[in-house]
Amino acid sequence: QKEVEQDPGPLSVPEGAIVSLNCTYSNSAFQYFMWYRQYSRKGPELLMYTYSSGNKEDGRFTAQVDKSSKYISLFIRDSQPSDSATYLCATPNAGGTSYGKLTFGQGTILTVHP
Amino acid sequence: DSGVTQTPKHLITATGQRVTLRCSPRSGDLSVYWYQQSLDQGLQFLIQYYNGEERAKGNILERFSAQQFPDLHSELNLSSLELGDSALYFCASSVNGGNNEQFFGPGTRLTVL
Repeated sequence: QKEVEQDPGPLSVPEGAIVSLNCTYSNSAFQYFMWYRQYSRKGPELLMYTYSSGNKEDGRFTAQVDKSSKYISLFIRDSQPSDSATYLCATPNAGGTSYGKLTFGQGTILTVHP
Repeated sequence: DSGVTQTPKHLITATGQRVTLRCSPRSGDLSVYWYQQSLDQGLQFLIQYYNGEERAKGNILERFSAQQFPDLHSELNLSSLELGDSALYFCASSVNGGNNEQFFGPGTRLTVL
């Protein structure tokens, strides 16, 4: 079992839709979570960084963490064609010799069509 | 623009050759990470340096090595290249290590023919 699981999609939605992207993780020691957006052939861009359970909002983006279920989500409101990209969840290792290493989900390919 | 720079953007070389990828972290960041992204493996952690010292290691091949210099820039050396080494190589940096946010550079696309 992979430490971080993410449905690769692809996901296709109409402009203006609410998008829900999800990941599950297996290690309860994971405490911090990040969401990255990656456009084709570009470097991942950090969108959200969360620690505690609950919601964190930034503009049209909301990150949600449920540590009891080991489930993290990213919601995009009023989605735009410019949101079309691959979205990656990631978490840094909690300690040991891999401290700082980010473990990524497989990424979800999102297309928002006009 | 994340503030992390990588050179070159593209690299095309032949099997058996050696290449060097370069990364400059964001101003003030002490930690540098290298990741490999291929279609079948996704983003995989290779190695981390913190203030010149190796901090963490992933599944980095013995043919690959890295270092971080006193000015904090880092180089990733790939030798005896194989076709399977073709991938995107990303550098990321963070203020310290551990749980800090990591900011990624634009990547180097390596093609081994």
